[in-house]
Amino acid sequence: GESVGLHLPTLSVQEGDNSIINCAYSNSASDYFIWYKQESGKGPQFIIDIRSNMDKRQGQRVTVLLNKTVKHLSLQIAATQPGDSAVYFCAESGGHYNTDKLIFGTGTRLQVFP
Amino acid sequence: DTGVSQDPRHKITKRGQNVTFRCDPISEHNRLYWYRQTLGQGPEFLTYFQNEAQLEKSRLLSDRFSAERPKGSFSTLEIQRTEQGDSAMYLCASSSTSGGAYEQFFGPGTRLTVL
Repeated sequence: GESVGLHLPTLSVQEGDNSIINCAYSNSASDYFIWYKQESGKGPQFIIDIRSNMDKRQGQRVTVLLNKTVKHLSLQIAATQPGDSAVYFCAESGGHYNTDKLIFGTGTRLQVFP
Repeated sequence: DTGVSQDPRHKITKRGQNVTFRCDPISEHNRLYWYRQTLGQGPEFLTYFQNEAQLEKSRLLSDRFSAERPKGSFSTLEIQRTEQGDSAMYLCASSSTSGGAYEQFFGPGTRLTVL
């Protein structure tokens, strides 16, 4: 199948540990941020989003943190599972709450080993 | 399965040929986006539509590329006189500007190889 992210930064974690994936965004005017997961041969899958008026948002096993001062975004995955293995992209939007194009970061490959 | 479908999933063509891809968004979504992704990179924005109106085009979209969404539902992306540098995954996404949920849902992509 399609191979995504052959030369991406890689994070290797043991099953059951927590994972933290970091992202630096470029546009201080961006007001909407999203994390996507992309498995080989598939399109990006929405994980969680956050608006610029928030600094933290939690989902099921995932938490996104936003630090606008240093333009940094992170994704925390609790109790990482083998099915979490994929490439993770952060994306920012400069328009009003995702009504415009998304600008994607370079991605991080997450490898989960038993 | 996000509900966004793309056809074909794979396309191999010879340099100089024209190709056309189709995207069917989630039915109630009024916004449709095209992105291009090369190996090792994140998706790059190409263009987007709100209903049938094309609202923005990237500088990446040369005059060999054209996109349409004639009835505000499905969209087509055509590449004329393909070049080897056009080889990439072409992704379609859709979203809704109503209902308070703004996330873009992606299709599986069309993998283009230009020989």
